[in-house]
Amino acid sequence: GESVGLHLPTLSVQEGDNSIINCAYSNSASDYFIWYKQESGKGPQFIIDIRSNMDKRQGQRVTVLLNKTVKHLSLQIAATQPGDSAVYFCAEKYGNNRLAFGKGNQVVVIP
Amino acid sequence: EPEVTQTPSHQVTQMGQEVILRCVPISNHLYFYWYRQILGQKVEFLVSFYNNEISEKSEIFDDQFSVERPDGSNFTLKIRSTKLEDSAMYFCAGGQDYNEQFFGPGTRLTVL
Repeated sequence: GESVGLHLPTLSVQEGDNSIINCAYSNSASDYFIWYKQESGKGPQFIIDIRSNMDKRQGQRVTVLLNKTVKHLSLQIAATQPGDSAVYFCAEKYGNNRLAFGKGNQVVVIP
Repeated sequence: EPEVTQTPSHQVTQMGQEVILRCVPISNHLYFYWYRQILGQKVEFLVSFYNNEISEKSEIFDDQFSVERPDGSNFTLKIRSTKLEDSAMYFCAGGQDYNEQFFGPGTRLTVL
């Protein structure tokens, strides 16, 4: 079973710099992926999604890249702001519509 | 902008007691979900619900758990006889189509 207390990889980034968060997903049959942001004590907040027939999608200050060959997903945040400090989860959809979440990456923005 | 809401924000209960966690999805949502997050761990899928029936459930969602959408607005998760290991944040999510899932703020369940 899983150990209690997940040690999250932490990315410290200077305010104004770009951030890149990486995620490896497990199921090659997954057809839809979402990046969520979770601030302390709050629920996951949708950031951006991408379908498996795409390899890149851009939103406001965010870009998601999908590499199906190596089952890798990344989230790029441009001009990182203090409000971007949070835990970021990638999630893959398989089955009917369950989401399987990754372990999360902690982003700390240094003012 | 409308949001998914959940009540209560924190529920404390004694082991063996029944709890009901409530969610009010956004009005045009058709798909509903419950997830949980044990402190410091990943968010885990519990159940999905569409067209007034369960469409998928995980191995966590055993006979102690049930879901209902009794009045077309509230979406509830009932745990019949809580155990210590049920202590977690419980998140409701909803979506208009089978892909999107917008999460509520969560209910923190503490079982003593």
